Amino acid sequence: SAVISQKPSRDICQRGTSLTIQCQVDSQVTMMFWYRQQPGQSLTLIATANQGSEATYESGFVIDKFPISRPNLTFSTLTVSNMSPEDSSIYLCSVGHPDSVYGYTFGSGTRLTVV
Amino acid sequence: AQKITQTQPGMFVQEKEAVTLDCTYDTSDPSYGLFWYKQPSSGEMIFLIYQGSYDQQNATEGRYSLNFQKARKSANLVISASQLGDSAMYFCAMRVRSNDYKLSFGAGTTVTVRA
Repeated sequence: SAVISQKPSRDICQRGTSLTIQCQVDSQVTMMFWYRQQPGQSLTLIATANQGSEATYESGFVIDKFPISRPNLTFSTLTVSNMSPEDSSIYLCSVGHPDSVYGYTFGSGTRLTVV
Repeated sequence: AQKITQTQPGMFVQEKEAVTLDCTYDTSDPSYGLFWYKQPSSGEMIFLIYQGSYDQQNATEGRYSLNFQKARKSANLVISASQLGDSAMYFCAMRVRSNDYKLSFGAGTTVTVRA
């Protein structure tokens, strides 16, 4: 399965600022996803990152708040914009292999605290 | 729409004993896959086991086995011979073809192994 490098691993940010999270994959993958995990909660899908086109957002998530880029099949970024304390979460990227029994590989996550 | 339900928020298990984590799912798609992931306090998502909807036998991976009861739409995870390192959050997840293979997660179960 693919290996994902996610950066930064953690950050403490001031409210009103933005943070960009990067995910680099060691092989080309078609499916890439971004998740949010609020404290003590499960993973919620933010969007599917599409190579060369706009990301597909899930209900409750909008591009202005969570802009996503995917310039090629090995790299993607998620920006958390105009942050508030409610954005304090773990953000994870994931790549998918529909035909693989291993399914999905996850990055190590970014622990974001907004103060 | 698809839904994953984990009804056990937390469980305690004695070291070396077995523990069963419950997971029920709901989907109208005949083609789906079920996953279990482990998330230790470090936050990484570790793939444990996979069961496809057309698989005839229950999946096993070392100390992990999946009790797949298709008619009852349940996919319980059994961890045998629990170890202290098994203390973590465990998530059941499902992907379906009709949802573009996006993973849907259950609420999770926290397992604490006691010495």
